[in-house]
Amino acid sequence: KQEVTQIPAALSVPEGENLVLNCSFTDSAIYNLQWFRQDPGKGLTSLLLIQSSQREQTSGRLNASLDKSSGRSTLYIAASQPGDSATYLCAVISSNTGKLIFGQGTTLQVKP
Amino acid sequence: NAGVTQTPKFRVLKTGQSMTLLCAQDMNHEYMYWYRQDPGMGLRLIHYSVGEGTTAKGEVPDGYNVSRLKKQNFLLGLESAAPSQTSVYFCASSARGEAFFGQGTRLTVV
Repeated sequence: KQEVTQIPAALSVPEGENLVLNCSFTDSAIYNLQWFRQDPGKGLTSLLLIQSSQREQTSGRLNASLDKSSGRSTLYIAASQPGDSATYLCAVISSNTGKLIFGQGTTLQVKP
Repeated sequence: NAGVTQTPKFRVLKTGQSMTLLCAQDMNHEYMYWYRQDPGMGLRLIHYSVGEGTTAKGEVPDGYNVSRLKKQNFLLGLESAAPSQTSVYFCASSARGEAFFGQGTRLTVV
């Protein structure tokens, strides 16, 4: 059974800091890993998609890495801003079942 | 370019009533999913489908039924709504690549 875990559950940092969010999964049989952002009371916004054959993806201040063999992904946010405050979710699609499974999320607060 | 559309956006039900939530996608995706999200919690998979005419149970399927008669539509049914089903429901679709989400349906059962 695929399980996705995100650490830490919550994080508070001062503006300008670089930070890393972690995501781990138990079954390496995945099509891809995707990072999302969710603001309070809102829907999901896709940030980055990493195919299973890829090692990393970058978009602006965001960089996501994938190590499928160890079942780990990291989301690196450079020079954090108060506008980055949100919940960040990672999800994987199992290549065995087709299930899209989410972690519990990391709630980030960036203080001015 | 609509993407994934959920209908309705808001609904209030009385305990015991039934209703159907509609998820429609125009991207010809094979995979479709229904989730619920409760306050302070992540997304929990209710049911999913890997193709037209197929459905499978997720993590929290009890109290819900689904159908995928057409490739573009995935319906989520509540036969007898309970207060415990008060939640925000999200639908998603994927072609084994990027997943796209609807805007959510806020359901309250009183």
